[in-house]
Amino acid sequence: GENVEQHPSTLSVQEGDSAVIKCTYSDSASNYFPWYKQELGKRPQLIIDIRSNVGEKKDQRIAVTLNKTAKHFSLHITETQPEDSAVYFCAASIYNFNKFYFGSGTKLNVKP
Amino acid sequence: DSGVTQTPKHLITATGQRVTLRCSPRSGDLSVYWYQQSLDQGLQFLIQYYNGEERAKGNILERFSAQQFPDLHSELNLSSLELGDSALYFCASSERQGVAGELFFGEGSRLTVL
Repeated sequence: GENVEQHPSTLSVQEGDSAVIKCTYSDSASNYFPWYKQELGKRPQLIIDIRSNVGEKKDQRIAVTLNKTAKHFSLHITETQPEDSAVYFCAASIYNFNKFYFGSGTKLNVKP
Repeated sequence: DSGVTQTPKHLITATGQRVTLRCSPRSGDLSVYWYQQSLDQGLQFLIQYYNGEERAKGNILERFSAQQFPDLHSELNLSSLELGDSALYFCASSERQGVAGELFFGEGSRLTVL
């Protein structure tokens, strides 16, 4: 089955700096890659996703890039704010089967 | 509000006991997923149902079982509970097969085993 690895496990940045979280996947059939944000004690919520026919997607301060050849995708957060502090999970999914494989999570701490 | 409803929100019980967690998916969603999240850990996939049938199984213990009913709600049964079963259990739902879409998570059921 699919194996998703996520790095780093923790990330601390200064407010205003950029943050990058990286994930790799093993199954070349995976073609949908969502990112979820989980605030402390809350449910994970989708923040951005990308499909395999696209190399990059942006939504305001958040962007995701995908390299299908290398089987890795990354989350980029620019101009970080304290409210960005949370745990971020990447996931890989196979379109037709709606199976989701999650990375182990990255705890992002944005220092004011 | 994600539209996914989980009950109970909190549950405290003793070792050896059995509990049932309930999940109602978003209206129209046919797939239900169960995840276990221990303290400061990731999301461990337990099991997935699609339209009443088991679709995929993850690292679900034999002491745990689940089912999805005709009205599409799902229950996760945890028996012979151990201290290590204390965790936040999330249910998530997604749209019907063939439509790649977002997983919508419920608020979770926090289980504490004493």
